[in-house]
Amino acid sequence: DIQMTQSPSTLSASVGDRVTITCRASQTISSWLAWYLQKPGKAPKLLIYKASSLESGVPSRFSGSGSGTEFTLTISSLQPDDFATYYCQQYNSYPYTFGQGTKLEIK
Amino acid sequence: QLQLQESGPGLVKPSETLSLTCTVSGGSISSTGYYWVWIRQPPGKGLEWIAGIYYTGSSFYNPSLKSRVTISVDTSKNHFSLKLNSVTAADTAMYYCARTKLGVPFDPWGQGTLVNVSS
Repeated sequence: DIQMTQSPSTLSASVGDRVTITCRASQTISSWLAWYLQKPGKAPKLLIYKASSLESGVPSRFSGSGSGTEFTLTISSLQPDDFATYYCQQYNSYPYTFGQGTKLEIK
Repeated sequence: QLQLQESGPGLVKPSETLSLTCTVSGGSISSTGYYWVWIRQPPGKGLEWIAGIYYTGSSFYNPSLKSRVTISVDTSKNHFSLKLNSVTAADTAMYYCARTKLGVPFDPWGQGTLVNVSS
C-alpha cells in the first residue's frame, strides 16, 4: 500500500493568514492526488484533484501543487469557514489511501 | 445532481454482520466508467477505503479487510451494498459511500451513517 503522510497534524492560524499543508507519498503517485476538507459530522468535500486542479465551486484561495511524492495545499487568506480538518488522498493505485489529516484551528 | 444516501442499522453486536446500503439518486448506477465505493472513518480518526464495485458486479477490496467484506450491486434498485462480517468494536465507524472513476477521486460522497459495534 502507498502510505500518505501529512504535516503538520495540527495547525493554529488566524483569519487572513496564508497556510500550507504538506502531504508526502511513500512512492511516486504522479499527480494523482486529491485534497478534501472535512467539518465535524460531515462527509469530506473535494477541494483539489490531480494535485492542482480546483474543483468547481471551490474558492480560488485554495491551491495545490506538487507531483511525484511531495504535495502541498495552500490557503492564501484564511476565512472563518476554512477551519476544519484537511486530508490528502492518493488515487494512483488501489487501495487508495489517505493521509492522517491536518486539523486547522483558530489561533 | 447526483446524491448518495447510506442506510442500515446503527447498532451491530460483536461477531455479527454489518449490512449497509447506498442508494443513488439523480443518476444511474449503471453509468459507464463509474465505480461505487465504501469508505469508513472511526470516531476521531482518519479515512479508510473499504471496497468498490462496477455496475457489472466487478468488485475490488482493500486487502486489509478483504477476508470479511462483500460488496454487491443491484442495478434495478440503483443501489449497492456492503457486508462486513465478524465485526468487533474496531469496526465502529462512520461509513460513507461515494462515486469514483479512473483518474478521478471520490466525489460525491453520501452523508455517512454511524455504525456502533456493541453488545
